[in-house]
Amino acid sequence: ETGVTQTPRHLVMGMTNKKSLKCEQHLGHNAMYWYKQSAKKPLELMFVYSLEERVENNSVPSRFSPECPNSSHLFLHLHTLQPEDSALYLCASSHNTGVGEQYFGPGTRLTVT
Amino acid sequence: AQTVTQSQPEMSVQEAETVTLSCTYDTSESDYYLFWYKQPPSRQMILVIRQEAYKQQNATENRFSVNFQKAAKSFSLKISDSQLGDAAMYFCAYRSFGNEKLTFGTGTRLTIIP
Repeated sequence: ETGVTQTPRHLVMGMTNKKSLKCEQHLGHNAMYWYKQSAKKPLELMFVYSLEERVENNSVPSRFSPECPNSSHLFLHLHTLQPEDSALYLCASSHNTGVGEQYFGPGTRLTVT
Repeated sequence: AQTVTQSQPEMSVQEAETVTLSCTYDTSESDYYLFWYKQPPSRQMILVIRQEAYKQQNATENRFSVNFQKAAKSFSLKISDSQLGDAAMYFCAYRSFGNEKLTFGTGTRLTIIP
């Protein structure tokens, strides 16, 4: 596999479920990101990990819990979500120095019922 | 805080013609980076082109070029010889020097007319 991969690609969950999104990068990057993309809104940065430490948390509700066990993997643990959390969740990675352009995964389409 | 504005929610262009997508940004910083990303209907976001603010020369990648006007805080994307595969949402993004955070605009949906 090359680039940034995300699993699952689609997820439907009830409000009481617990699920996790997974992201893996094969680019040798040392920073990883979670974004939320909703219709007709700019991409919302949720979390940033640099060298496996969380460096940004944009006032995200605690029902979203990130985990970065190493520089290649990033998880987003979900629990007791709300219908308004339905969106496309994008993972990205980059070098944390220089231009640092971000490379994105294909996203997980999440539907909360 | 930095903001990025894309004032054209939708644009269309005839195949083989040229189209320009607009982007303006607001910042008080002098060192930063600007990007254009493309998100086709298959939804994977792809980097199209990047520009370092300290470089006066406009970036070019094959049929894609930018017009970077630092004083005006403008960063437009020109697509020459438009192709059907160029149909996508295009996002302009800003990144401060030394900061991992990207700030995105709301996007422009580009339609290519055969």
